[in-house]
Amino acid sequence: DTGVSQNPRHKITKRGQNVTFRCDPISEHNRLYWYRQTLGQGPEFLTYFQNEAQLEKSRLLSDRFSAERPKGSFSTLEIQRTEQGDSAMYLCASSLEAGVGADTQYFGPGTRLTVL
Amino acid sequence: KNQVEQSPQSLIILEGKNCTLQCNYTVSPFSNLRWYKQDTGRGPVSLTIMTFSENTKSNGRYTATLDADTKQSSLHITASQLSDSASYICVVRTIYSNYQLIWGAGTKLIIKP
Repeated sequence: DTGVSQNPRHKITKRGQNVTFRCDPISEHNRLYWYRQTLGQGPEFLTYFQNEAQLEKSRLLSDRFSAERPKGSFSTLEIQRTEQGDSAMYLCASSLEAGVGADTQYFGPGTRLTVL
Repeated sequence: KNQVEQSPQSLIILEGKNCTLQCNYTVSPFSNLRWYKQDTGRGPVSLTIMTFSENTKSNGRYTATLDADTKQSSLHITASQLSDSASYICVVRTIYSNYQLIWGAGTKLIIKP
């Protein structure tokens, strides 16, 4: 397994456009997380899935943001009507479900979004 | 309010020197504490994890300490190398919510030759 992968790595879009990012987790991991990170800050939690169920969403996840994990494997994060404030690195991570060490999150390389 | 604060915000040291990064947290109830290393433009990578009963955990040249009474942790880097240049993020897990992780803002470490 090559780890968590994310596509695209970079996305430049105009304000008002919709964008969709994809995350492929480590295959045996049943938890998947989305984060947003801006320069000089730690990752901000957006949402997470256990298998196909979306268990928690942050208040940061406005109604313009939606995430899916339809078959409990890959996930997509869509941002509608993008705004310049959405410019950030979007990170995906995955982990196993239970146990102190088992929930160590393994991160993908991120998708850097620039909204012009 | 559950918070994780890290200091310093940034640090520059010469290659070969040691350094210590600090993490103070107000997270309760506490489950465990992790240190992550994040290279520029990459996702974070886990370095160490410590539970309530652990005081010290090492991973090569990285040594993390935890004082659960004072709610403080440190990450000590010995004999720094240029590849240690990165952001180091402290993350505390609580058992209080579904998601459970409280992230610090990180310390940006720059190693100069």
